[in-house]
Amino acid sequence: DQQVKQNSPSLSVQEGRISILNCDYTNSMFDYFLWYKKYPAEGPTFLISISSIKDKNEDGRFTVFLNKSAKHLSLHIVPSQPGDSAVYFCAAHTQGGSEKLVFGKGMKLTVNP
Amino acid sequence: EAGVAQSPRYKIIEKRQSVAFWCNPISGHATLYWYQQILGQGPKLLIQFQNNGVVDDSQLPKDRFSAERLKGVDSTLKIQPAKLEDSAVYLCASSSVPDTQYFGPGTRLTVL
Repeated sequence: DQQVKQNSPSLSVQEGRISILNCDYTNSMFDYFLWYKKYPAEGPTFLISISSIKDKNEDGRFTVFLNKSAKHLSLHIVPSQPGDSAVYFCAAHTQGGSEKLVFGKGMKLTVNP
Repeated sequence: EAGVAQSPRYKIIEKRQSVAFWCNPISGHATLYWYQQILGQGPKLLIQFQNNGVVDDSQLPKDRFSAERLKGVDSTLKIQPAKLEDSAVYLCASSSVPDTQYFGPGTRLTVL
C-alpha cells in the first residue's frame, strides 16, 4: 500500500526554465510534507517542507504547493540550474505515537545546460 | 558540524552470510533511524530509536535483522543470514526534532 506516490519517474528541463515535480498521497493524517534531494552515492538531503495547515512555502528558487482537497503537492524550481539535477523524494510525516517519514519512489530531474 | 557517518560504504557478500553496518549520528541527536532503500524505491523505515530505546521496529524483518543503539549514540544494524532480496542501500539518519532528518551517505549492500 503506497501512501506517497510520485508517478513520474523522470523529468528533463532546460536550464532557466521551471521544473515542476508532483506528489500525491492517500493518508489524510499526514501533518507535514517534505522534499529531499539525493545525488548519486550520497544520502538524501532536506530541501523544503510544508505544514498541512499551509498551502504554500517558498525558499529561494524552491516553492512547495499543497492542495489538501486533492491530496497533492508539488515542488517548483525556478529557474532550474544544472546543479539541480538529482533524484527528488517526496516524503510525508505521520503524527502520533510513532513519528516517521513515508517516502515516495523518487523522481529523477535532469536540467540540461 | 559533522554529519551522520556510516561504514562501510560498500559491502559484497554471498547469501546466507552475515553482515553488520555501523552508524554514528550527529552529536546530540536523540533520534536515530535505519532505512532500507531498494533500487528504484524510496527509503523504507526499518527501525527508529529514541536514545537507546526502540520506538518503531514494525517493518524490521526480525527473523534476520537486528539493531542496537548502545549508550544512545552509535548504532549497528545486522543481517544474519542475508538473502538476495536484501541487496539495497542502508541509510542511517538522525534528528533532534521530528521534522528534519539528516541522512548519512549509506551503505550499498550487494548479496550474491
